Amino acid sequence: GIQVEQSPPDLILQEGANSTLRCNFSDSVNNLQWFHQNPWGQLINLFYIPSGTKQNGRLSATTVATERYSLLYISSSQTTDSGVYFCAVDQGGKLIFGQGTELSVKP
Amino acid sequence: GAGVSQSPSNKVTEKGKDVELRCDPISGHTALYWYRQSLGQGLEFLIYFQGNSAPDKSGLPSDRFSAERTGGSVSTLTIQRTQQEDSAVYLCASSLDAGGTEAFFGQGTRLTVV
Repeated sequence: GIQVEQSPPDLILQEGANSTLRCNFSDSVNNLQWFHQNPWGQLINLFYIPSGTKQNGRLSATTVATERYSLLYISSSQTTDSGVYFCAVDQGGKLIFGQGTELSVKP
Repeated sequence: GAGVSQSPSNKVTEKGKDVELRCDPISGHTALYWYRQSLGQGLEFLIYFQGNSAPDKSGLPSDRFSAERTGGSVSTLTIQRTQQEDSAVYLCASSLDAGGTEAFFGQGTRLTVV
């Protein structure tokens, strides 16, 4: 089956710093999503981005489907950005998740 | 409904008992997914339903796990003869259809087997 790898596994930032999270996948996909799992466990949709670039406030994402990777950019990070960031790709109708990047933003 | 709703939020059960977890998807969504997340881990796919098609059960870890979806809407995940290793958060998601559209998650059911 398809492999989804995220890097880095852990990241510690000082408030105000920028960061880039990466998601590599081993096969072509129809769907790629980025989620933020907050400290209470809720999965929040960030981007639905099978290709191209999208921006939402301080967050943006780029997927290069032909090269099988996606990037999530977080600018001017805030403590509320802490949590785990997952990417997920479609395989035969079901979403397959990476292992996540755990982000901790310090004040 | 406005979002995916799961119940109960928390469930504590004794080893060997059966449990039922419920998921109410977003109205009009034909695809429904169940995932399991153990403490500090990623999301493990369990099963998904797409419309009237046969469900993809390839992720169910054992025959103690089963799920059904009645009337193309509400789904129930049943775990029989629960074991301590079944302790996890069980997450449900729905999307307009499988694969190519955005999926939305419920808040999860935290299951503790004692």
